[in-house]
Amino acid sequence: DIQMTQSPSSLSASVGDRVTITCRASQSITSYLNWYQQKPGKAPNLLIYAASSLLSGVPSRFSGSRSGTDFTLTISSVQPEDFATYYCQQSYITPYTFGQGTQLDIK
Amino acid sequence: QVQLVESGGSVVQPGRSLRLSCATSGFTFRSYGMHWVRQAPGKGLEWMALIWYDGSNKYYADSVKGRFTISRDNSKNTLYLQMNSLRAEDTAVYYCARGLGWDYGIDAFDIWGQGTMVTVSS
Repeated sequence: DIQMTQSPSSLSASVGDRVTITCRASQSITSYLNWYQQKPGKAPNLLIYAASSLLSGVPSRFSGSRSGTDFTLTISSVQPEDFATYYCQQSYITPYTFGQGTQLDIK
Repeated sequence: QVQLVESGGSVVQPGRSLRLSCATSGFTFRSYGMHWVRQAPGKGLEWMALIWYDGSNKYYADSVKGRFTISRDNSKNTLYLQMNSLRAEDTAVYYCARGLGWDYGIDAFDIWGQGTMVTVSS
């Protein structure tokens, strides 16, 4: 199975900060990488698909990029509603696998 | 609007069976692949199973292969997960999720239900 390793597992930020979350795949998954946001007690929401494509309706402060097997989710200016847990997920091959999550807290 | 509503979660003893349902509305169900994803209390997300739009292909996580069966009834716009030989480690919130669609060139989970809780305990 493909292992997805996210870092950091948690981070604290202030409103307006630029935040970066990294996800590394254990093997090549080309750009078959998606990012989700989950708030407590709620289902996840898809933010970015195919490494860098923003889902319609998602704010443009979210962006994604790829370098080899390393993927990055960036929030250019964190807003109060962005404090949540973020997951990466590969859909290159089944079994699809998620990263362990990154919890973004208010500093 | 597009909606997924899970049902069937409950408290069940180890070794017993349970069937989850996911009723859908607001989109052409028969055109989309569908997934089950679970989340144990306080833990991360774990993909469980995928079924193609027409039911012709099914894929499973190793942890449930041979115990769980995903199915669908396109005439009822409903997705199912039959869970047999349940274990304590199957305790989780179970979400159904819609596949993004082949037009996007990648599979992802773009619409999620609210989840249904399954607790396996004696």
